[in-house]
Amino acid sequence: QSALTQPASVSGSPGQSITISCTGTSSDVGLFNLVSWFQHHPGKPPKFLIYVDTKRPSGISTRFSGSKSGNTASLTISGLQAEDEAHYYCCSYVGGSSWVFGGGTKLTVL
Amino acid sequence: QVQLVQSGAEVKKPGASVKLSCRASGYTFITYYMHWVRQAPGQGLEWLGIINPSGDNTKYAQRLQGRVTMTTHTSTRTVYMDLRSLTSEDTAVYYCARGTTGTTGLDFDYWGQGTLVTVSS
Repeated sequence: QSALTQPASVSGSPGQSITISCTGTSSDVGLFNLVSWFQHHPGKPPKFLIYVDTKRPSGISTRFSGSKSGNTASLTISGLQAEDEAHYYCCSYVGGSSWVFGGGTKLTVL
Repeated sequence: QVQLVQSGAEVKKPGASVKLSCRASGYTFITYYMHWVRQAPGQGLEWLGIINPSGDNTKYAQRLQGRVTMTTHTSTRTVYMDLRSLTSEDTAVYYCARGTTGTTGLDFDYWGQGTLVTVSS
Protein backbone atom coordinates (compact mmCIF):
# COMPACT_ATOMS: atom_id res chain seq x y z
CA GLN A 1 0.00 0.00 0.00
CA SER A 2 1.62 3.27 -1.10
CA ALA A 3 1.53 6.37 1.06
CA LEU A 4 -1.09 8.97 0.25
CA THR A 5 0.30 11.98 -1.65
CA GLN A 6 0.57 15.32 0.14
CA PRO A 7 2.52 18.44 -0.83
CA ALA A 8 5.81 18.60 1.03
CA SER A 9 5.19 22.14 2.21
CA VAL A 10 2.69 24.98 2.26
CA SER A 11 2.89 28.45 3.73
CA GLY A 12 0.65 31.34 4.60
CA SER A 13 0.56 34.58 6.54
CA PRO A 14 -1.30 35.06 9.82
CA GLY A 15 -5.02 35.47 9.21
CA GLN A 16 -4.94 33.83 5.79
CA SER A 17 -6.38 30.43 4.83
CA ILE A 18 -4.45 27.50 3.44
CA THR A 19 -5.49 24.14 2.05
CA ILE A 20 -3.51 20.89 2.16
CA SER A 21 -4.42 18.15 -0.28
CA CYS A 22 -4.20 14.39 0.22
CA THR A 23 -4.49 12.26 -2.90
CA GLY A 24 -5.14 8.55 -2.85
CA THR A 25 -6.93 6.14 -5.14
CA SER A 26 -10.37 4.70 -5.71
CA SER A 27 -9.33 1.84 -3.39
CA ASP A 28 -8.73 4.00 -0.33
CA VAL A 29 -9.60 7.72 -0.13
CA GLY A 30 -12.20 7.42 -2.86
CA LEU A 31 -13.77 4.23 -1.54
CA PHE A 32 -14.15 4.86 2.17
CA ASN A 33 -15.39 7.95 4.01
CA LEU A 34 -12.63 7.34 6.52
CA VAL A 35 -9.97 10.01 6.04
CA SER A 36 -8.51 11.56 9.18
CA TRP A 37 -6.17 14.50 9.63
CA PHE A 38 -3.53 15.05 12.31
CA GLN A 39 -1.42 17.99 13.46
CA HIS A 40 2.09 17.08 14.60
CA HIS A 41 4.39 19.39 16.50
CA PRO A 42 7.99 18.20 17.03
CA GLY A 43 8.46 16.24 20.22
CA LYS A 44 4.74 15.75 20.80
CA PRO A 45 2.33 13.01 19.72
CA PRO A 46 0.08 13.74 16.73
CA LYS A 47 -3.22 15.48 17.46
CA PHE A 48 -6.53 14.21 16.05
CA LEU A 49 -8.06 17.07 13.98
CA ILE A 50 -10.60 15.64 11.52
CA TYR A 51 -12.29 12.23 11.09
CA VAL A 52 -14.67 10.60 8.61
CA ASP A 53 -13.49 13.12 6.02
CA THR A 54 -15.18 16.19 7.49
CA LYS A 55 -16.00 15.90 11.21
CA ARG A 56 -14.16 17.69 13.99
CA PRO A 57 -13.67 15.95 17.35
CA SER A 58 -14.83 17.79 20.42
CA GLY A 59 -12.46 20.61 21.34
CA ILE A 60 -10.98 21.16 17.87
CA SER A 61 -11.22 24.72 16.60
CA THR A 62 -13.72 25.48 13.83
CA ARG A 63 -10.77 27.01 11.94
CA PHE A 64 -9.94 23.45 10.88
CA SER A 65 -12.20 21.87 8.26
CA GLY A 66 -12.05 18.79 6.06
CA SER A 67 -13.52 18.03 2.67
CA LYS A 68 -13.23 15.39 -0.03
CA SER A 69 -13.79 15.14 -3.76
CA GLY A 70 -13.23 11.84 -5.48
CA ASN A 71 -9.82 10.46 -4.54
CA THR A 72 -8.56 13.69 -2.96
CA ALA A 73 -9.22 14.85 0.58
CA SER A 74 -8.34 18.33 1.79
CA LEU A 75 -7.68 20.10 5.07
CA THR A 76 -8.35 23.83 5.23
CA ILE A 77 -7.04 25.99 8.04
CA SER A 78 -8.59 29.44 8.18
CA GLY A 79 -7.40 32.45 10.15
CA LEU A 80 -3.85 31.12 10.31
CA GLN A 81 -2.10 31.54 13.65
CA ALA A 82 1.54 31.16 14.59
CA GLU A 83 0.78 28.04 16.63
CA ASP A 84 -0.60 26.33 13.52
CA GLU A 85 2.97 25.91 12.26
CA ALA A 86 3.46 22.14 12.32
CA HIS A 87 3.42 19.06 10.14
CA TYR A 88 0.03 17.81 8.99
CA TYR A 89 -0.77 14.23 8.03
CA CYS A 90 -3.76 12.62 6.39
CA CYS A 91 -4.64 8.97 6.95
CA SER A 92 -7.13 6.68 5.24
CA TYR A 93 -8.59 3.29 6.00
CA VAL A 94 -7.76 1.01 3.06
CA GLY A 95 -9.81 -2.04 3.97
CA GLY A 96 -8.72 -5.35 5.41
CA SER A 97 -8.06 -3.77 8.82
CA SER A 98 -5.25 -1.66 7.36
CA TRP A 99 -4.52 2.04 7.24
CA VAL A 100 -2.11 4.28 5.32
CA PHE A 101 -0.75 7.74 6.13
CA GLY A 102 0.17 10.53 3.78
CA GLY A 103 3.78 11.66 3.50
CA GLY A 104 3.08 14.76 5.57
CA THR A 105 3.01 18.50 4.83
CA LYS A 106 5.05 21.11 6.66
CA LEU A 107 3.04 24.27 7.24
CA THR A 108 5.04 27.45 7.69
CA VAL A 109 3.31 30.55 9.05
CA LEU A 110 5.18 33.48 7.56
CA GLN B 1 -9.27 11.08 31.01
CA VAL B 2 -7.88 8.74 28.38
CA GLN B 3 -4.15 8.15 28.78
CA LEU B 4 -1.73 5.92 26.91
CA VAL B 5 1.63 5.69 28.69
CA GLN B 6 4.49 4.11 26.80
CA SER B 7 7.72 2.54 28.01
CA GLY B 8 11.05 4.39 27.97
CA ALA B 9 13.66 4.87 25.29
CA GLU B 10 15.63 1.90 24.03
CA VAL B 11 19.04 1.52 22.41
CA LYS B 12 19.59 -1.74 20.55
CA LYS B 13 22.27 -3.27 18.35
CA PRO B 14 21.49 -4.45 14.82
CA GLY B 15 19.95 -7.89 14.84
CA ALA B 16 18.51 -7.52 18.32
CA SER B 17 14.85 -7.38 19.37
CA VAL B 18 12.90 -4.74 21.25
CA LYS B 19 9.62 -5.02 23.16
CA LEU B 20 7.65 -1.83 23.68
CA SER B 21 4.68 -1.38 25.99
CA CYS B 22 1.65 0.90 26.06
CA ARG B 23 -0.49 1.04 29.21
CA ALA B 24 -4.03 2.36 28.82
CA SER B 25 -6.23 4.09 31.36
CA GLY B 26 -9.33 6.26 31.50
CA TYR B 27 -11.54 4.13 29.25
CA THR B 28 -12.95 0.62 28.95
CA PHE B 29 -9.90 -1.28 27.68
CA ILE B 30 -11.83 -4.15 26.11
CA THR B 31 -13.86 -1.77 23.96
CA TYR B 32 -11.03 -0.44 21.83
CA TYR B 33 -8.27 -1.79 19.61
CA MET B 34 -4.71 -0.41 19.59
CA HIS B 35 -2.58 0.75 16.68
CA TRP B 36 1.17 1.12 16.50
CA VAL B 37 2.66 3.90 14.35
CA ARG B 38 6.26 5.02 13.93
CA GLN B 39 8.15 8.03 12.65
CA ALA B 40 11.73 7.63 11.51
CA PRO B 41 14.02 10.68 11.67
CA GLY B 42 13.02 13.19 9.01
CA GLN B 43 10.26 10.92 7.74
CA GLY B 44 6.49 10.79 7.96
CA LEU B 45 4.17 8.62 10.00
CA GLU B 46 4.03 4.93 9.14
CA TRP B 47 1.22 2.60 10.23
CA LEU B 48 2.62 -0.63 11.68
CA GLY B 49 -0.37 -2.65 12.72
CA ILE B 50 -3.41 -3.09 14.95
CA ILE B 51 -4.47 -5.52 17.68
CA ASN B 52 -7.84 -6.16 19.28
CA PRO B 53 -8.09 -5.89 23.08
CA SER B 54 -8.22 -9.62 23.70
CA GLY B 55 -5.11 -10.08 21.60
CA ASP B 56 -6.45 -12.77 19.30
CA ASN B 57 -6.82 -10.64 16.19
CA THR B 58 -3.95 -8.72 14.65
CA LYS B 59 -3.11 -7.12 11.32
CA TYR B 60 0.43 -6.04 10.53
CA ALA B 61 1.80 -3.78 7.82
CA GLN B 62 3.15 -5.89 5.01
CA ARG B 63 6.70 -4.54 5.26
CA LEU B 64 6.97 -5.72 8.87
CA GLN B 65 5.42 -9.16 8.35
CA GLY B 66 7.48 -11.83 10.05
CA ARG B 67 9.38 -9.40 12.29
CA VAL B 68 6.60 -7.98 14.45
CA THR B 69 4.29 -9.42 17.08
CA MET B 70 1.65 -7.46 18.97
CA THR B 71 0.12 -8.79 22.17
CA THR B 72 -2.12 -7.61 24.98
CA HIS B 73 -2.39 -8.22 28.71
CA THR B 74 -5.94 -7.30 29.62
CA SER B 75 -5.50 -7.53 33.38
CA THR B 76 -2.88 -4.76 33.28
CA ARG B 77 -4.52 -2.93 30.33
CA THR B 78 -1.21 -3.08 28.48
CA VAL B 79 -0.43 -3.61 24.82
CA TYR B 80 2.99 -4.76 23.64
CA MET B 81 4.85 -4.67 20.35
CA ASP B 82 7.83 -6.94 19.80
CA LEU B 83 10.07 -6.07 16.82
CA ARG B 84 12.84 -8.49 15.86
CA SER B 85 15.95 -8.46 13.64
CA LEU B 86 16.37 -4.73 14.08
CA THR B 87 18.27 -2.66 11.52
CA SER B 88 19.18 1.01 11.44
CA GLU B 89 16.00 1.57 9.41
CA ASP B 90 13.99 0.70 12.51
CA THR B 91 15.37 3.74 14.35
CA ALA B 92 12.26 5.79 15.01
CA VAL B 93 9.81 7.13 17.55
CA TYR B 94 7.13 4.49 18.08
CA TYR B 95 3.61 5.50 19.10
CA CYS B 96 0.61 3.55 20.26
CA ALA B 97 -2.78 5.03 19.37
CA ARG B 98 -6.29 3.95 20.28
CA GLY B 99 -8.24 2.21 17.55
CA THR B 100 -11.56 0.68 16.56
CA THR B 101 -12.74 -1.90 14.06
CA GLY B 102 -12.06 0.60 11.28
CA THR B 103 -15.59 1.56 10.38
CA THR B 104 -16.17 4.28 12.96
CA GLY B 105 -13.51 6.70 11.80
CA LEU B 106 -12.47 7.24 15.40
CA ASP B 107 -9.11 5.52 15.03
CA PHE B 108 -6.02 7.35 16.32
CA ASP B 109 -8.09 9.65 18.56
CA TYR B 110 -5.66 9.28 21.49
CA TRP B 111 -1.90 8.72 21.29
CA GLY B 112 0.86 7.66 23.64
CA GLN B 113 3.79 9.99 24.25
CA GLY B 114 6.07 7.96 22.00
CA THR B 115 9.11 5.76 22.60
CA LEU B 116 12.41 6.44 20.85
CA VAL B 117 14.12 3.30 19.62
CA THR B 118 17.70 3.74 18.42
CA VAL B 119 19.38 0.92 16.54
CA SER B 120 23.12 1.40 16.39
CA SER B 121 26.24 -0.70 16.55
